This record gives sequence, structure tokens and C-alpha cells, in this order.
Amino acid sequence: GQSLEQPSEVTAVEGAIVQINCTYQTSGFYGLSWYQQHDGGAPTFLSYNALDGLEETGRFSSFLSRSDSYGYLLLQELQMKDSASYFCAVRGGGSNYQLIWGAGTKLIIKP
Amino acid sequence: EADIYQTPRYLVIGTGKKITLECSQTMGHDKMYWYQQDPGMELHLIHYSYGVNSTEKGDLSSESTVSRIRTEHFPLTLESARPSHTSQYLCASSVPSGRGENEQFFGPGTRLTVL
Repeated sequence: GQSLEQPSEVTAVEGAIVQINCTYQTSGFYGLSWYQQHDGGAPTFLSYNALDGLEETGRFSSFLSRSDSYGYLLLQELQMKDSASYFCAVRGGGSNYQLIWGAGTKLIIKP
Repeated sequence: EADIYQTPRYLVIGTGKKITLECSQTMGHDKMYWYQQDPGMELHLIHYSYGVNSTEKGDLSSESTVSRIRTEHFPLTLESARPSHTSQYLCASSVPSGRGENEQFFGPGTRLTVL
């Protein structure tokens, strides 16, 4: 089967750096994406990796290693507004080449 | 700024009722999706469409149906609602090229409760 694993919850301090890991097992690979979802809200796209390496977008960076079927999202200079759930999603092969989603990591930020 | 709309935002109905959840986007995206998400859980794809008159079922078995008669409109219908359908339903769309399905724009969701 196809699956993604990410920690259920991560706690960090305001101003710090936090890394959220994602490992995947899919038939085929066509990109790893990260989304942010605040409580009661809709997911919003953060970043995308198709090739190995680091992609940086402001305070957020995302990394991919296809050989390890692994990626992570790095959040720097944490702010209270970053408290949310973060989902990794892989576009795999399978029957329809659609996004497969992880269960999400709830990021708790303490002052 | 993504422009994708869903109505109603909240809906409480009784078992056996027929309901239609509306989704519209003004971005001209060919690809649209319906997801089901329970609180604190992953998103499950229930339907998707690559364009007008193209609809496919997703990985999650669903008793719902969809239609795509116009590019901007992708409604989801439950013929007979049951308590097991209680969930949040999210509509999304994506650009036809580049990141494609990897970058999806989501509507605000419809939170459905079936009594």
C-alpha cells in the first residue's frame, strides 16, 4: 500500500527552529508538497520538492531525499501564528496519480 | 490569491436527506478535487475531475456523486445522507501545468453533520 508517516505533534518555543519529518512509501513519485492548516481552516500550500535538495521560501524551507523516501519542512524564527497542523503530501503512482496525504503534524508553539 | 468558494459552510441535516455541496472557482483551473477530512486526520480524495465532463472516483469509497458541466463548477451530491457522512468536505483546484496536482488551492470547506 501507499503511506506517509509524520509525527503527530511537535512542540517548540517562539523564535526557535523546528523540523517536521515525513517518510513515504508510494508506488511512483512525482513530488512532495507541504501544506499548512489552521484549526477550522482549509489547507494552504507551502512548498514543493520534485528533486533532491533544499527549497527555501522565506522562513520556511523544505528538503527532499528521494533515495531515502524522506523529506522535511523546516520552520525558522517561529511565530505564534505558525501554530497549525502541517501536512506532507506525495503525488505517487497508484491508480490515479493523485496526492496521498500524511495524517498531519500539530505544531504547538510556546511563548 | 486563490478564488475558490464553497457553500454552505455549515450544514446540519437529518438522515435520508439529499444534499448538494457547491464548489466554484474563478481561476479557470481544469483540475478540481473533493476531499473528506475528519478532525485531526488526513485528507481523503473522494472525487476528482480533469475538466468538463470528466469525473473520477478517488481512493476513498464514497456514496456521493459529482458532475462537471462547467469548468468553474464542481458540485458534490449525497443522495441519502447518513450519520457516517458527518465530516468536513473540502473542494480544491489546481493549475494545469507546472506543479500541477502538487499545488492545490482549497475552498473554506463545508462542515456537514448528519443527525
